[in-house]
Formats: sequence, structure tokens, C-alpha cells
Amino acid sequence: DVVLTQTPVAQPVTLGDQASISCRSSQSLVHSNGNTYLEWYLQKPGQSPQLLIYKVSNRFSGVPDRFIGSGSGSDFTLKISRVEPEDLGVYYCFQATHDPYTFGAGTKLELK
Amino acid sequence: EVQLVESGGSLVQPGGSLKLSCVASGFTFSNYWMDWVRQTPGKSLEWIGEINTDGSKTNYAPSIKDRFTISRDNAKSTLYLQMSNVKSDDTAIYYCTRTGSWGQGVMVTVSS
Repeated sequence: DVVLTQTPVAQPVTLGDQASISCRSSQSLVHSNGNTYLEWYLQKPGQSPQLLIYKVSNRFSGVPDRFIGSGSGSDFTLKISRVEPEDLGVYYCFQATHDPYTFGAGTKLELK
Repeated sequence: EVQLVESGGSLVQPGGSLKLSCVASGFTFSNYWMDWVRQTPGKSLEWIGEINTDGSKTNYAPSIKDRFTISRDNAKSTLYLQMSNVKSDDTAIYYCTRTGSWGQGVMVTVSS
């Protein structure tokens, strides 16, 4: 199975700062069709996960442009510029390139 | 508005069976692949499996293969997860998902 390693485990931030989360895969996430199925989710306390980014860098409908996904191959990053209170929670990366699909263990974005 | 509403969660004994349902609304259910994802008490997310639009193709995670079955009834806009021979490790919140949308989840507890 593909292992997704997220760092850091926790990211203390000050509101208005930038945050960065890394997701590294145990193998390339480039599908045979040329697409890279790497997604980012945010789970706020007491809620279901919500999709932020799909196919590495595409923001889902309604997601603010302060969320920026980047990367290629097996190395991916989610940057959140100007962190706002509603951005706090646990972020997960997820790959749907290789069966079985897998999630990272999560990164908790919390206030300093 | 897209809505996914799971039901059927309960306390079940090891070795027992349970069937979860997910009623979809706000979109054309028959046009979408659907997935089940679970979240354990330790909080990690695990993809369980998926089903294609007409129900003719399914794909499962190794941890539940041969014990769980995903099916759908497009006429009723309903997704199912039949769980058999359940184990304590199956204790989790189970989410029904499609691209960009998750249900609120339903709790399954496996215990004697």
C-alpha cells in the first residue's frame, strides 16, 4: 500500500501567518493516465472532512484562494496564507492513484 | 444542496453483521461513483471501498475485503455497506462520500 507521510504532526500558528504542510508518498502518485490524484482535506472539530484541493493544485468549489496546493511525483505541499480562525483543524492528504487509496495521518493546525 | 445521510450504525457483537445505508439528495446519484470511508477512535481515516455508477464494479481495501460489500440502488438514491464477520478493529465512524461531499457519519461499535 502507498504510505503518505505528513509533516509536521502539529503546526502551531498565529492568525494571519502562513502555514505549510508536507505530504510525501512512498511511491509516485502519477497515474498511468497522466493525472496525479492527490487531495487535501480539512476536518474541523466535530465535523466531517471537507475537500479543499484535488489533483494536487485544484481548489474545490468555494475554497478560498489562500489555500494553495503544489507538488509533483511523490512530494506535495499545502500552503495556507493568512491563517484565519476557520482554518483550524486537522489536515489530511489522500491519494487515489494506487489501489487501495490511502490517507496521511493528519496535521493539526492549532493556535500558538 | 448535496446531502448524504447515513444510518444503521449500532453496537454489534464480534462476528455479527450490520448494514449501513446512505441516502443521497441534491444531485443525480446515478452519475457518481460513491465511496465509504471510516474514522477510528484513534482518529485516523481509512478508505474502505468504492462502487461505480451502475453498481457493476466495486473495489475494496484489503482490510475489509471478503467481509464487507458495497452496493447501491439508484432508483432510491441509496448507497449500502453490508458488514459481516465484524471485528473490534471495525469500530469506527463510517462516512458515505462522493467527490467533494461527505455525510455526517454513523457510529459502529463492535463489542461483546
